[in-house]
Amino acid sequence: AQSVTQLGSHVSVSEGALVLLRCNYSSSVPPYLFWYVQYPNQGLQLLLKYTSAATLVKGINGFEAEFKKSETSFHLTKPSAHMSDAAEYFCAVSEKGGSNYKLTFGKGTLLTVNP
Amino acid sequence: DAGVIQSPRHEVTEMGQEVTLRCKPISGHNSLFWYRQTMMRGLELLIYFNNNVPIDDSGMPEDRFSAKMPNASFSTLKIQPSEPRDSAVYFCASSLLASGGDEQFFGPGTRLTVL
Repeated sequence: AQSVTQLGSHVSVSEGALVLLRCNYSSSVPPYLFWYVQYPNQGLQLLLKYTSAATLVKGINGFEAEFKKSETSFHLTKPSAHMSDAAEYFCAVSEKGGSNYKLTFGKGTLLTVNP
Repeated sequence: DAGVIQSPRHEVTEMGQEVTLRCKPISGHNSLFWYRQTMMRGLELLIYFNNNVPIDDSGMPEDRFSAKMPNASFSTLKIQPSEPRDSAVYFCASSLLASGGDEQFFGPGTRLTVL
C-alpha cells in the first residue's frame, strides 16, 4: 500500500518568509500526488497536484511543489508567507484498488504565520 | 455549482442515539467518499462509492457505522448507537474518478459531538 509522511506537524514562519512543508511518499508505481489546504472550520480544497507531467507544479495562492523521484519527495513551497496562508496542509497520494482510485492522506502540517 | 453539500453542519447528541449524516455530491461526479477527522487519528477514509456501489468499506470502524448511496445525488452515513468516541468532523467528498489524478471536492463537514 502507498503511504505519505509529512515531516513536522507544526511549522511556524514569519510573514514574508519562505514556507517549506515537507512530504515524502512511498509507492511502487509512478504516483499521483496532491497538496490540499484546510482553513479553520472548512473542508479541504486542492492546492495543486502532480500527474506525471512537469515535475515542478504550480498551484493556487503562489504555492508550488516539486516532484523528486530520487528522493520520493513532493515538498510544498511558497517564497513569501502571507497571514492568510495560516491553515493546515495535507499531502496525499492516489492509490489504485482494483479499477478504482482513493486518496491516502498524510497527518497534516499546521502552518502558523506570525506578523 | 453549489459544491458538495452536507447536513447538518453541527450535531450534538447523547450516547446511544442514532445519528444520520447526509451528503449531496456535485452533479455528474461518479465517486463519493466519507472521511472522519479527529485530532488523534487525522483524516481517515471510512468508505467510498463508485457509481453508487460501495467499493471499499475497510475503514468503517465497526458495525455501528453504515453508509448508503441510494442514487447518484444522495448518500447517508449512519451511526447506531452513537458513542462519545465517535465525536469528530465527518467529511463527504466527491470526484469524477476517470483517473488517479482527479481531484476530490470536499464538503464543509459535519461536526458531531456525542455526549
